[in-house]
Amino acid sequence: AQKITQTQPGMFVQEKEAVTLDCTYDTSDPSYGLFWYKQPSSGEMIFLIYQGSYDQQNATEGRYSLNFQKARKSANLVISASQLGDSAMYFCAMREGNTDKLIFGTGTRLQVFP
Amino acid sequence: NAGVMQNPRHLVRRRGQEARLRCSPMKGHSHVYWYRQLPEEGLKFMVYLQKENIIDESGMPKERFSAEFPKEGPSILRIQQVVRGDSAAYFCASSPSTGSRWAGELFFGEGSRLTVL
Repeated sequence: AQKITQTQPGMFVQEKEAVTLDCTYDTSDPSYGLFWYKQPSSGEMIFLIYQGSYDQQNATEGRYSLNFQKARKSANLVISASQLGDSAMYFCAMREGNTDKLIFGTGTRLQVFP
Repeated sequence: NAGVMQNPRHLVRRRGQEARLRCSPMKGHSHVYWYRQLPEEGLKFMVYLQKENIIDESGMPKERFSAEFPKEGPSILRIQQVVRGDSAAYFCASSPSTGSRWAGELFFGEGSRLTVL
């Protein structure tokens, strides 16, 4: 079974609008961490935001926020005030328990248009 | 403050040749991870190393692939007798700590793109 599911292969958003990228996960471990990474066309992986399973509040980092709904096992990324430079692939990833491996979803390609 | 350095950025090999990919972790980081990204897919974990030790190689193919992280020098991912299916981006990441102390402390290099002709 897929551990991380990103159901949106592609998304379009107009500049300055907000966009939500979906991510659901599956784990039986009560301790886990959720990550979002951005991969622009140049190829590097850029860390955006992290949410721990025991964190009481949703994580925020500038224009990025993580809508963490634990009961629904979802960790959607919200990008506010989209910019042209936000066009990239976005990957959701999970670390389980005390392991050191990240499990990645298949990604969502976001395109921001003027 | 150099980040995770990978080289070469691009490597072209013919079938049957060997590919060596290098990764220098960030200064002060002693944990190195290798991931593979096939075209249009997410990253898949391959191996986790600390200096002179392979901690977890559960994602490594059983044959032709090996990794090391010597006491001195970069971590090396070695692929022997490459085949077309090995064409992918190989990412190295490093962290200063591990497990439950993580909070976004995994730093990725820019990747090495292997093309097998």
